[in-house]
Amino acid sequence: GAGVSQSPSNKVTEKGKDVELRCDPISGHTALYWYRQSLGQGLEFLIYFQGNSAPDKSGLPSDRFSAERTGGSVSTLTIQRTQQEDSAVYLCASSPGREFNGYTFGSGTRLTVV
Amino acid sequence: AQKITQTQPGMFVQEKEAVTLDCTYDTSDPSYGLFWYKQPSSGEMIFLIYQGSYDQQNATEGRYSLNFQKARKSANLVISASQLGDSAMYFCAMSYSSNTGKLIFGQGTTLQVKP
Repeated sequence: GAGVSQSPSNKVTEKGKDVELRCDPISGHTALYWYRQSLGQGLEFLIYFQGNSAPDKSGLPSDRFSAERTGGSVSTLTIQRTQQEDSAVYLCASSPGREFNGYTFGSGTRLTVV
Repeated sequence: AQKITQTQPGMFVQEKEAVTLDCTYDTSDPSYGLFWYKQPSSGEMIFLIYQGSYDQQNATEGRYSLNFQKARKSANLVISASQLGDSAMYFCAMSYSSNTGKLIFGQGTTLQVKP
């Protein structure tokens, strides 16, 4: 696609429910990243994919968080048993490879846990 | 450990004037990259400018320039001739060679351009 696409754009869920957030990167981009942005804060790294592998998942805050990527394309971030502190904007980014010249972000998914 | 510090939570600038947004960083890695992103109220992250640690010249992109002072570990963003559309949150970020391309972000600076 022309840009990084994320869905849904907004998600309200009840505490304790599971949620899935989707990221569709730019076609051909092998590197994919998930970040989290809490209200008024900077971005916090969650996980990095190169192809379908996740060589760096050091930012996942707990074992309730998991992510996968299939076909070297779409990625899904799953949060199980959501808590109120999970409320944030979840941003996905992709790049052609492991490069030091920036990458393209999606518009994010705003998750609200009530 | 790597760290990015943005000490200005909020800044005001008059339209058509220049403004400098501060960013300092800390890393022991000799190879790293410095980035600035703009985040308007709509929420998307827009890449503005990049500076590599070995680049001799300061990076420029249109009205944006990065004032890179390696010895002081600073990477300030200069926006010339501010426009109303420049009002947004601005984030400084760093990558380093021993990582996977992930970025470490500062806390951001909110810029408001006054007409």
